[in-house]
Amino acid sequence: EDQVTQSPEALRLQEGESSSLNCSYTVSGLRGLFWYRQDPGKGPEFLFTLYSAGEEKEKERLKATLTKKESFLHITAPKPEDSATYLCAVGSGGYQKVTFGIGTKLQVIP
Amino acid sequence: ETGVTQSPTHLIKTRGQQVTLRCSSQSGHNTVSWYQQALGQGPQFIFQYYREEENGRGNFPPRFSGLQFPNYSSELNVNALELDDSALYLCASSHGTGGYEQYFGPGTRLTVT
Repeated sequence: EDQVTQSPEALRLQEGESSSLNCSYTVSGLRGLFWYRQDPGKGPEFLFTLYSAGEEKEKERLKATLTKKESFLHITAPKPEDSATYLCAVGSGGYQKVTFGIGTKLQVIP
Repeated sequence: ETGVTQSPTHLIKTRGQQVTLRCSSQSGHNTVSWYQQALGQGPQFIFQYYREEENGRGNFPPRFSGLQFPNYSSELNVNALELDDSALYLCASSHGTGGYEQYFGPGTRLTVT
C-alpha cells in the first residue's frame, strides 16, 4: 500500500526565515510526486509535479526536489501570504490513484 | 478556461439520509476523481471516473457511489449517512488517464447530525 509521511506537521517561521518541508514516500511504481497548497476551507491548489529522482522545479519562493525516497519543498524568504497547509501526494497504478499525506501547516509571522 | 466547480458549498444532513454532490470538471478534462477530507487530514481517494465509467476505487463502502455524464461532469452519492461522513468532499479533474496533475474544486462541506 502506498504511504506518504510529511514532516513537520506544523512549522512557524519568521518572515524571511527560509526552511524546508519533508515528504517521505513508499510506492509501487511512482507515476509522479505532487505538491499542493491548501488554504483553510478551500480545495488544494496545484504547485508542482516531479517524475524522477534528481528533478527540481521552482515557482516564486518555492523549490521542490525529489530523491528515490523523499521530496523536499524549500521555501526561501517566506512572506505571510505563504501561510497555508502544504500537501504532498504520490501517483501510482494503472489509473490515476493519488495518495496524500496529512500535510504541513506553515505559519509565517510578519 | 473554466476551473472546477462544485455544488453545493455547504450541506447539513441527518444521519440515515442520502446526499448528492455535484462537480463540473475543468474545460478539456475528461477524468474526475472524488476525495473525502476530514478535518486535519489529507484528502482520501474515493473513486475516479473516466469516460463515464468507474476507473478505480479507494477503501470506501458501496454506499458511496458516483456517476459521470457525457459532458464529463460528475455526481457523488452517499446513502445511509453516518456521523463520520462529515467532511470536506473534493472533486478533482484531469486530462486523460496518463496525466496525474489534478485540479481541485473548492469542495462541499458536509455536516451530518
